[in-house]
Amino acid sequence: AQKVTQAQTEISVVEKEDVTLDCVYETRDTTYYLFWYKQPPSGELVFLIRRNSFDEQNEISGRYSWNFQKSTSSFNFTITASQVVDSAVYFCALSEGDKLSFGAGTTVTVRA
Amino acid sequence: ETGVTQTPRHLVMGMTNKKSLKCEQHLGHNAMYWYKQSAKKPLELMFVYSLEERVENNSVPSRFSPECPNSSHLFLHLHTLQPEDSALYLCASSPELAGKYNEQFFGPGTRLTVL
Repeated sequence: AQKVTQAQTEISVVEKEDVTLDCVYETRDTTYYLFWYKQPPSGELVFLIRRNSFDEQNEISGRYSWNFQKSTSSFNFTITASQVVDSAVYFCALSEGDKLSFGAGTTVTVRA
Repeated sequence: ETGVTQTPRHLVMGMTNKKSLKCEQHLGHNAMYWYKQSAKKPLELMFVYSLEERVENNSVPSRFSPECPNSSHLFLHLHTLQPEDSALYLCASSPELAGKYNEQFFGPGTRLTVL
């Protein structure tokens, strides 16, 4: 069974639009960690954020914000005022114990 | 060099060739990983090493053979590959086994094409 579901395969927006990436996870652990990674065309996955299961505070970092809802097992990611450089594949991941499970990724294309 | 490096960045090989992918991390981490990323598929974890010992082998065919001579280096030896093995191979490291609070740091990947 898939532990991390990213229902959106591809999203295309025009520059300056906001874009929200959905991530739904499944776990029986009470302690776990959630991550978002960005994979630009160069290929390297870049760490964006880590959130532990006990901290449901939303976080904002520049144009990026994350909404963690434990009640719905979701950890959504919003890019505000998108830019062409935001074009990439974004992965959500769940860490339980010593395993890290990735979602299938969402490809974001920002058009000028 | 900083972070996680991988060589070569691109590799084209025939099905009868033998080649090796190299990964080096300069972060002082104790755990290293090989992932396979095929088009339109999720990242697939292949191997996990912790303190140079293999701790996970996810039903990977024997034509892929990992080697971890020390905590900074990780190799993936390839032989008699199939065209479906063409993919991006990513190496990652983390301070300890990924879990709790330790995010993985990724290299740029090796784009492998098997003819």
